[in-house]
Amino acid sequence: DSGVTQTPKHLITATGQRVTLRCSPRSGDLSVYWYQQSLDQGLQFLIQYYNGEERAKGNILERFSAQQFPDLHSELNLSSLELGDSALYFCASSLGPPSIQYFGAGTRLSVL
Amino acid sequence: QQQVKQSPQSLIVQKGGISIINCAYENTAFDYFPWYQQFPGKGPALLIAIRPDVSEKKEGRFTISFNKSAKQFSLHIMDSQPGDSATYFCAASAIQGAQKLVFGQGTRLTINP
Repeated sequence: DSGVTQTPKHLITATGQRVTLRCSPRSGDLSVYWYQQSLDQGLQFLIQYYNGEERAKGNILERFSAQQFPDLHSELNLSSLELGDSALYFCASSLGPPSIQYFGAGTRLSVL
Repeated sequence: QQQVKQSPQSLIVQKGGISIINCAYENTAFDYFPWYQQFPGKGPALLIAIRPDVSEKKEGRFTISFNKSAKQFSLHIMDSQPGDSATYFCAASAIQGAQKLVFGQGTRLTINP
């Protein structure tokens, strides 16, 4: 167990809908990273927060947004969902760069 | 320049054999190279990592070899066991800045008993 908790484990929704994925980092970790894993694109970095502030952005669509709250948990919001958004979404946490990133078990999103 | 290329895509090794997975990168700003292991239904878990100031790092049956001039690094699994069957990802990041991980495409390793 990595200590990173992601909920829900599975999410099934329809095109055009909006969902929220939640991540609780390991105790003491200040940094949260979001990654998307799909069959064709592999593991792709989306966005990083450090102690409540956005630190870096990757290939994150404008329909996606994230935030990190004062208690350090993070949420990834995906809106106007498309079939192609179906993927595994992973959250990772670390004490802060540079340090090891620990991954949660992921949320599997299926858009029908 | 942000890519990390990983090969092979899949690998079948007999129990007790050596599994070798290779990765290459282009961005010379990368200075941290971890390998992650992922089992079905689980998130990636750090296996072993190396920084470019050393050419080799060994932890138990797992060894990373690093060639800075060729911008290549590889994972060797000695005495491969069926429990090693998983997907392996190499990754790279730059210590400066956010340290976002750039992953290779993954290698599905199967160890036959």
